[in-house]
Amino acid sequence: AQTVTQSQPEMSVQEAETVTLSCTYDTSESDYYLFWYKQPPSRQMILVIRQEAYKQQNATENRFSVNFQKAAKSFSLKISDSQLGDAAMYFCAYRSLQYNNNDMRFGAGTRLTVKP
Amino acid sequence: EPEVTQTPSHQVTQMGQEVILRCVPISNHLYFYWYRQILGQKVEFLVSFYNNEISEKSEIFDDQFSVERPDGSNFTLKIRSTKLEDSAMYFCASRGAIYTDTQYFGPGTRLTVL
Repeated sequence: AQTVTQSQPEMSVQEAETVTLSCTYDTSESDYYLFWYKQPPSRQMILVIRQEAYKQQNATENRFSVNFQKAAKSFSLKISDSQLGDAAMYFCAYRSLQYNNNDMRFGAGTRLTVKP
Repeated sequence: EPEVTQTPSHQVTQMGQEVILRCVPISNHLYFYWYRQILGQKVEFLVSFYNNEISEKSEIFDDQFSVERPDGSNFTLKIRSTKLEDSAMYFCASRGAIYTDTQYFGPGTRLTVL
């Protein structure tokens, strides 16, 4: 079964600085999707960024980018120019593309604090 | 932009009571999911639903849980006899017909069992 590990329970960053959140995963599959979700205090799950495993190019969404290392099974999230509104729990997630086995597997999360 | 909605936002119930959590997926989506997040823990998959039947379920989804799509828009999760440990945030998600589509999550229902 696929597992997702986030080894940093908490991270802190100064406003306007850059922070990187780590995620590793374990799978025997060659094709899958990876996601980062943001969960603010409202506890809503907000999609931040998505990466298809077959793509070598790292996904980017404005201030958010990933460093996807398929061989190392690593999928880190970089937040540039951090803003106070970025403070939240961040969950890394894996999704298989096998038919009838495409539920999301989540990591334990990293709580990001942004200091003014 | 279309979104997944869930009602109620917060449900309080007594242990042993039945609860129904409601979700309205995005209208042209065909795959539906329920996830659970106990406070302070990771989000866990419960069940997926396609073509009016369960396509996959986790070990958490035991006989006290059931799902239904009673009409063309709603997707419900029923917990027959709630336990204290069922207290959690329950998220509904949906995705389109293409298997590569992203799942979109609703805002969640906070269930508190007293």
